[in-house]
Amino acid sequence: DQQVKQNSPSLSVQEGRISILNCDYTNSMFDYFLWYKKYPAEGPTFLISISSIKDKNEDGRFTVFLNKSAKHLSLHIVPSQPGDSAVYFCAASAFSHNTNAGKSTFGDGTTLTVKP
Amino acid sequence: DVKVTQSSRYLVKRTGEKVFLECVQDMDHENMFWYRQDPGLGLRLIYFSYDVKMKEKGDIPEGYSVSREKKERFSLILESASTNQTSMYLCASSFSGLAGREQYFGPGTRLTVT
Repeated sequence: DQQVKQNSPSLSVQEGRISILNCDYTNSMFDYFLWYKKYPAEGPTFLISISSIKDKNEDGRFTVFLNKSAKHLSLHIVPSQPGDSAVYFCAASAFSHNTNAGKSTFGDGTTLTVKP
Repeated sequence: DVKVTQSSRYLVKRTGEKVFLECVQDMDHENMFWYRQDPGLGLRLIYFSYDVKMKEKGDIPEGYSVSREKKERFSLILESASTNQTSMYLCASSFSGLAGREQYFGPGTRLTVT
C-alpha cells in the first residue's frame, strides 16, 4: 500500500496565479514532512519542510500547510513563475531511535507547468 | 555547499553483468541512501546506511546489495543486472539525529540494461 500519495500527476497554472500541490499520507508515525523540487536531468532539491507539531510554514513564495487530522499536506506557491515548472515530490519522514536517523517515504510526484 | 556526486550520469550494461554505482558526499553526513526513480512510481528506497558498515534494507532491496567502507562513500551493487533494473538511480545523504531530515541528492545515474 502506498503510504504517501500525490493524486494529481500534473498541474498547469498561469504565471502570477497560485499553484496548490496536494499530498496525503496514511502512517501516523510520520512526524516530519518535506517538499522537494526536481528539474529534468538533476537530482531533487529540498524546498520546504514542516514538523508535525506545526500547521503552517512559510518561506518566501512557498507555504506548506499540514492538517494532521486529515493526514493531508499542501504546498502553495504564490505567485507562480515559469521557473517553478518542475516535478514536485512530497516526502514524509519517520524517525528511528535505533538508527538515529529519519527515513523518508516519497510520493509519486506532481509535474507543475507554469505558463507565461 | 553540500555536494553529492555519482560516478556516472549514464551507464549501459548487458543482462547478467555485475554493476557498481558509486556515490560520494563531502559533508560528513552519517546517513546515505540509494533510491530508484521510475515514471509514475516516485522515489523508492533500495538501501539505507546510517554509519560505516551499517545498512538497512529499504522497500525494494531484491537484486541489489550495498557497501559502505568509508563514511563518505556508498556503493550500490547489482549482482546480476536484469532488464527490469533499467532505471534512474539516485543517491542521497543526510545528517543523523532528529534535525537531519533534509536529504541532499546527487544528479542521478541513468542505467540501461540490455
